Amino acid sequence: ETGVTQTPRHLVMGMTNKKSLKCEQHLGHNAMYWYKQSAKKPLELMFVYSLEERVENNSVPSRFSPECPNSSHLFLHLHTLQPEDSALYLCASSQMGDYGYTFGSGTRLTVV
Amino acid sequence: ELKVEQNPLFLSMQEGKNYTIYCNYSTTSDRLYWYRQDPGKSLESLFVLLSNGAVKQEGRLMASLDTKARLSTLHITAAVHDLSATYFCASPGVGGGADGLTFGKGTHLIIQP
Repeated sequence: ETGVTQTPRHLVMGMTNKKSLKCEQHLGHNAMYWYKQSAKKPLELMFVYSLEERVENNSVPSRFSPECPNSSHLFLHLHTLQPEDSALYLCASSQMGDYGYTFGSGTRLTVV
Repeated sequence: ELKVEQNPLFLSMQEGKNYTIYCNYSTTSDRLYWYRQDPGKSLESLFVLLSNGAVKQEGRLMASLDTKARLSTLHITAAVHDLSATYFCASPGVGGGADGLTFGKGTHLIIQP
């Protein structure tokens, strides 16, 4: 596979569930990102990982927990979410010193 | 805090017409990105503008960057229906290393026959 792959594509979860979103990049990039896109707000940067270390956390609630075990994989662990967390979650990657960002296809999350 | 503002947010136009989408950003940056998003889809990279005065063209779309004015434009020439989509501009702001992008709210473009 090439590019940035996100799984699952769609996810429906209850407010008491725990689930994880997965992102994998096959581009050899060394930075990865999570974004949230909801109907009410523009694309919001959630987390930035550079060389597997978190470098930015944009005041995201603790019910979202990122994990970057290596430079190719990024997870977003979800627990006790709220209905307003329903959104499209996009993963992206880039290579520091280069200027391109590649986005995955996203996970459409619905919290019921 | 970096702010990115696009206008208009909604644009309905007829095929064959020309129009421009504007993108203003609040913090000094020498880079600006334009993306396209179709309904239910992810972001498709259109242009990466890397310096003041940069101009790039692809088909009926042309983007430019004025870093002094902190302004980028996306110009549509002789619009066709296939260009109907939401267009976003984004800025990485100031800094080095891994810079997350700050996006504008998007311009929802509808091109009617």
